[in-house]
Amino acid sequence: QVLLQQSGPGLVKPSQTLSLTCAISGDSVSTNSTAWNWVRQSPSRGLEWLGRTYYRSKWYHDYAASVRSRITINPDTSKNHFSLQLNSVTPEDTAVYYCSHDFFFRSWGQGTLVTVSA
Amino acid sequence: DIVMTQSPDSLAVSLGERATITCKSSQTILYNSNNKHSLGWYQQKPGQPPKLIISWASTRESGVPDRFSGSGSGTDFTLTISSLQAEDVAVYYCQQSYTTPITFGQGTRLEIK
Repeated sequence: QVLLQQSGPGLVKPSQTLSLTCAISGDSVSTNSTAWNWVRQSPSRGLEWLGRTYYRSKWYHDYAASVRSRITINPDTSKNHFSLQLNSVTPEDTAVYYCSHDFFFRSWGQGTLVTVSA
Repeated sequence: DIVMTQSPDSLAVSLGERATITCKSSQTILYNSNNKHSLGWYQQKPGQPPKLIISWASTRESGVPDRFSGSGSGTDFTLTISSLQAEDVAVYYCQQSYTTPITFGQGTRLEIK
């Protein structure tokens, strides 16, 4: 069973960078049969997939068009985790952020409410 | 992008009665390598992340009660709860994992009548 544990700040100032980490237990970030995703949820946007990273002999990344210019998802094989960075945030980026696992999202982190406010 | 449209937005059903939620995809989500539809159903209760209950349109996840079933083909899919229990009160979402961007339906709120 894959368990995901999120960490990171719950308050970010406008124009700054949102950074979250998702620690993995029960699997390896570099396994070649799954993917590691970030999803956010807000009343205005519902459930919104942001992007993913996965390993198939090399690392691949897919990002949603709505955030492509601002997002980076990086794996860290030494720590067995993956991270989300979202640059130049605005109040519209306020949401609960989740990390999740696989192509159907079988495992989820606990969620982090990130508020963008001065 | 593939648009997932659920109906209804909310639903009230009596305990023990059947609940049916539909989901329509804007294009095919049939995965050629296994001839299955890349459609998942999720249950979300307040303060919790979504929980995957059905994958590949009709495969019930381990531990999910057999009163939950999924069906459908083409672009039309259905989640059925055969006999509603109090613990089934939640918001239900469909999701396509056929292609990126991965997209979700807007959700259906299920309540007890």
